[in-house]
Amino acid sequence: GDSVTQMEGPVTLSEEAFLTINCTYTATGYPSLFWYVQYPGEGLQLLLKATKADDKGSNKGFEATYRKETTSFHLEKGSVQVSDSAVYFCALSPEAGRRALTFGSGTRLQVQP
Amino acid sequence: GAVVSQHPSRVICKSGTSVKIECRSLDFQATTMFWYRQFPKQSLMLMATSNEGSKATYEQGVEKDKFLINHASLTLSTLTVTSAHPEDSSFYICSAGGQGRGGGEQYFGPGTRLTVT
Repeated sequence: GDSVTQMEGPVTLSEEAFLTINCTYTATGYPSLFWYVQYPGEGLQLLLKATKADDKGSNKGFEATYRKETTSFHLEKGSVQVSDSAVYFCALSPEAGRRALTFGSGTRLQVQP
Repeated sequence: GAVVSQHPSRVICKSGTSVKIECRSLDFQATTMFWYRQFPKQSLMLMATSNEGSKATYEQGVEKDKFLINHASLTLSTLTVTSAHPEDSSFYICSAGGQGRGGGEQYFGPGTRLTVT
């Protein structure tokens, strides 16, 4: 079945550091890929998405490129802020049929001033 | 953007009682809603898929008689935890995907934290 693998956290960075959170997936066909962010005590918010190979999703300085050849969707940001501290989830939605998401395990990011 | 609400946001109940959680899509119609469960510091696990006007589809290992799901309209799905026990304490999150919304995108509610004493 479908699966998503994320790098384990926590990831601790200083403000303005470069961020990479790795995500790889296993799925049949051409799934859609997402990054969601969860701030403490809150639900999930969509951060960005990509629906086909080579698409780049971007939002709030975060970027991720859908790489079909490496089945990856790594999240990057050039300069993190303290306010980016949260848990980040990589997820996929299958190509067809029902649209339940398969989530990775989540990566906690802690940005220090 | 699309908004999904959940009520209540927090609930504490005694063991053996039942609790109902509501999930509403506020500005779009949702033919399908999903219920997830999240344990502390863990990922979301899909519990069931709720289809408007039909029975829910439960994931393997989820007791359908314990977690009753009703999707009576295009904007409301409810999850009732029956005869709750302390091990049912968790964060329950619903999501909805509207008709015609491409890319498989889901809009998530803020979650309901259930504590069973």
